[in-house]
Amino acid sequence: QVQVVQSGTEVKKPGASVKVSCKVSQYRSLTDYFIHWVRQAPGQGLEWMGWINPHTGVTNYAQKFQGCVTMTRDTSTSTAYMEVSRLTSDDTAVYYCATHPRGGWYFDYWGQGTLVIVSS
Amino acid sequence: QSALTQPPSASGSPGQSVTISCTGTSRDVGGYNYVSWYRQHPGKAPKLMIYDVIKRPSGVPDRFSGSKSGNTASLTVSGLQTEDEADYYCKSYAGSNNWVFGGGTRLTVV
Repeated sequence: QVQVVQSGTEVKKPGASVKVSCKVSQYRSLTDYFIHWVRQAPGQGLEWMGWINPHTGVTNYAQKFQGCVTMTRDTSTSTAYMEVSRLTSDDTAVYYCATHPRGGWYFDYWGQGTLVIVSS
Repeated sequence: QSALTQPPSASGSPGQSVTISCTGTSRDVGGYNYVSWYRQHPGKAPKLMIYDVIKRPSGVPDRFSGSKSGNTASLTVSGLQTEDEADYYCKSYAGSNNWVFGGGTRLTVV
C-alpha cells in the first residue's frame, strides 16, 4: 500500500522560509508518478501550487507561486520538498502533497498535510 | 487561471440523491476529459472519488458517479449516507501542465 508521509507542524516568523517534506513509500518506481503540492488556508478551499517529477527534478509552478516556492527532491530517499520563502501571514495554511500516476490525470494518494503557521 | 465554480453548499436527506456542479471554461473542464472529484472530511486529507470525469477508483461505492457536458462537470451522490457529509472539490487539467481546483461544496446530509 502506497504511503505518503509529510513533516510536522511548523511555526515561522514573517519573512522567514519554511521547507516541508513529503516521503513516498511503496510506489512502484520514481518514474511512475509525479508529486503535486496543494495549499489550503484556514476555512478555505484547495489551491494547486505546482508539481515536480521526482525522477528528473523537472518542476512546474502555478503562476501565483512562481518566484516564492521551490520544489525539489531527493531520489535516494524518495522524498520531495517544498520551500516557501518570504513568508507572510497569508501563507498560514495546511500544505498537502499528493501523487499523480504517470499516464493518469488525478491525484491518487495524499499526505496527511503539514500545518504552517506564520506569526510574529 | 481562475478557480472552477462550484456551489458553496448542497444538501439532501439520507437515501436521496444530490448533484454538485463544477463550471469551468473551454481551457480546462471543456477542453479535457480529465476532471476528478475529491471528498474531504474536516481535518482530513482529500480522497479521490471520481477521475477522468466518470471513473471510480477501487473501493469507492457506485453511489458516486460523474458526468460532463460542455464546460460543466457534475458529481452525483445517490442514496445519501451520513458519512457523505463533507466538502467536495472538483479539479481539472488546464493545459500546459497546470491544474485547477473548484472552490469546494459543503454537502450536508440533513
